[in-house]
Amino acid sequence: GENVEQHPSTLSVQEGDSAVIKCTYSDSASNYFPWYKQELGKRPQLIIDIRSNVGEKKDQRIAVTLNKTAKHFSLHITETQPEDSAVYFCAASKPSGGSYIPTFGRGTSLIVHP
Amino acid sequence: EAGVTQSPTHLIKTRGQQVTLRCSPISGHTSVYWYQQALGLGLQFLLWYDEGEERNRGNFPPRFSGRQFPNYSSELNVNALELEDSALYLCASSLNSLGETQYFGPGTRLLVL
Repeated sequence: GENVEQHPSTLSVQEGDSAVIKCTYSDSASNYFPWYKQELGKRPQLIIDIRSNVGEKKDQRIAVTLNKTAKHFSLHITETQPEDSAVYFCAASKPSGGSYIPTFGRGTSLIVHP
Repeated sequence: EAGVTQSPTHLIKTRGQQVTLRCSPISGHTSVYWYQQALGLGLQFLLWYDEGEERNRGNFPPRFSGRQFPNYSSELNVNALELEDSALYLCASSLNSLGETQYFGPGTRLLVL
């Protein structure tokens, strides 16, 4: 089955700095890669996603890059703000026999210091 | 548009008891997924229901089961509760079986004493 590794597990930055979270996956058939943000005590919320036919996607201060050859994808947050503090999860998924179950990384706790 | 809803929000049970958690998907979504989020372990896939049928299950024992109703809402049942079942149980829905994006509910926090 798919295996998703996420690093780092904890990331501490100063407000205004950039933050990068990296994930690797094992199944080359995976073709959809969402990122979720989970604030303390709240539900995971989709913040950005990328499909395997695209190498990069950007949405304001958030960007995701995908390297299919190396089987890794990254989340980039620029000009971080205290409200970016949360746990971020990456996931990899593919359609298979009617199933579309994402495999999640174990999460990165991002702390943005004012 | 209302999001995914779950009930109850919190639950305290003792070992050996049984529990039922409930989930209502976003209107129009037919697929419902259940995840267990134990402390420090990320999201572990439990079950997937689509069009009233169980389509896939994760690596959990049979005492974790569920069902999906004709209105696409779903229940997760856990029998013979163990201490390690203490976790946040998240439900998510997607538009259909190939709906890549899943939208999560707020979760039910279960504590087993």
